[in-house]
Amino acid sequence: GEDVEQSLFLSVREGDSSVINCTYTDSSSTYLYWYKQEPGAGLQLLTYIFSNMDMKQDQRLTVLLNKKDKHLSLRIADTQTGDSAIYFCAERFDSNYQLIWGAGTKLIIKP
Amino acid sequence: DVKVTQSSRYLVKRTGEKVFLECVQDMDHENMFWYRQDPGLGLRLIYFSYDVKMKEKGDIPEGYSVSREKKERFSLILESASTNQTSMYLCASSLTSGRGSEQYFGPGTRLTVT
Repeated sequence: GEDVEQSLFLSVREGDSSVINCTYTDSSSTYLYWYKQEPGAGLQLLTYIFSNMDMKQDQRLTVLLNKKDKHLSLRIADTQTGDSAIYFCAERFDSNYQLIWGAGTKLIIKP
Repeated sequence: DVKVTQSSRYLVKRTGEKVFLECVQDMDHENMFWYRQDPGLGLRLIYFSYDVKMKEKGDIPEGYSVSREKKERFSLILESASTNQTSMYLCASSLTSGRGSEQYFGPGTRLTVT
């Protein structure tokens, strides 16, 4: 069946890079997403990658996709206190518009 | 800018009460979704709707119902609230096609059932 897994917490020092990992089980997904949820707020789309790509860069964010290992990662360069949030990985299949969600990784920034 | 609004940020209800959570989107999106978010469980889909008056059960529909009488509005109903329905409820909407059908979320309603 479909399953998306993430670690529940990641702690990094301000200024370091954060790497949030996600694994999924179904190789037929077409889009993979990273959403960010700041404290007390709803989710916002951070970035997404189409399944035929292996990397996408957007300013401080780098998304890497390893389809063979079904592994997706989000790297945040020069992590700032404003990056404190829960980061959700999600996948979508071409057959429908539902998303399969991971449980979310809480990113904790140490000064 | 797409805007998804939810009727309340915080709600406290008693066990057995009927509860209505309202969601409105202003971008003419076909699809609307209700999720609940619990610590360590991420987002779980309760119901979704792909058109007016059309609805589909998600992963955890028990104890909930929905209504979509107008395209912009999607309501979640708890017929008889129970304490295990204490949670954060998130509404989202999306277009059927384009940009990977990005989902736009409301700010959430934190419901406490006592």
